[in-house]
Amino acid sequence: EADIYQTPRYLVIGTGKKITLECSQTMGHDKMYWYQQDPGMELHLIHYSYGVNSTEKGDLSSESTVSRIRTEHFPLTLESARPSHTSQYLCASSESFGELFFGEGSRLTVL
Amino acid sequence: AQSVAQPEDQVNVAEGNPLTVKCTYSVSGNPYLFWYVQYPNRGLQFLLKYITGDNLVKGSYGFEAEFNKSQTSFHLKKPSALVSDSALYFCAVRDPDRGSTLGRLYFGRGTQLTVWP
Repeated sequence: EADIYQTPRYLVIGTGKKITLECSQTMGHDKMYWYQQDPGMELHLIHYSYGVNSTEKGDLSSESTVSRIRTEHFPLTLESARPSHTSQYLCASSESFGELFFGEGSRLTVL
Repeated sequence: AQSVAQPEDQVNVAEGNPLTVKCTYSVSGNPYLFWYVQYPNRGLQFLLKYITGDNLVKGSYGFEAEFNKSQTSFHLKKPSALVSDSALYFCAVRDPDRGSTLGRLYFGRGTQLTVWP
């Protein structure tokens, strides 16, 4: 089983709140990713990082931001949540050309 | 550009029958190919990958996949389906020859597999 952890698993919040989704991995992987997945649909890469202090935006425009201050930690932040942010957010990590290891996901509902 | 196509949104099969979940890809170089499975309210779990070598790759839970370069396909197969195999399956591709060592995967839209008793 992969050593990558996401918290919270489920979150219901009101519009305008600031939230941070946590992601940590203990495998020492340099590369980390955030994907957004709507129910039964494809995954969209929203952020990725190739190492400490390295972050890039992905293919899907997102109002979220990320940081990578430590190798093992890659949190995602929404400054002001809206109902359109309701989705499942999946964090993953990998070595250079290996498979991605995914966390269990954070399902966000914004009312 | 890299892309992955999973032509079937749903595959239904009876328990004990063989199953196939189709995947075709498009990359400019030699592909690295992956299959993942997702159970409800869970993250994606890695099943198997093709990097190089034997075109038939064996993975977790009795699944295998065959890399076919001429048809640019990487279909997932299992000789005898189980009800517990019912899940969402994703094919993914990486093009390691594309510029930098980005390490990114490009995923298909997913295929919902249902195995009935």
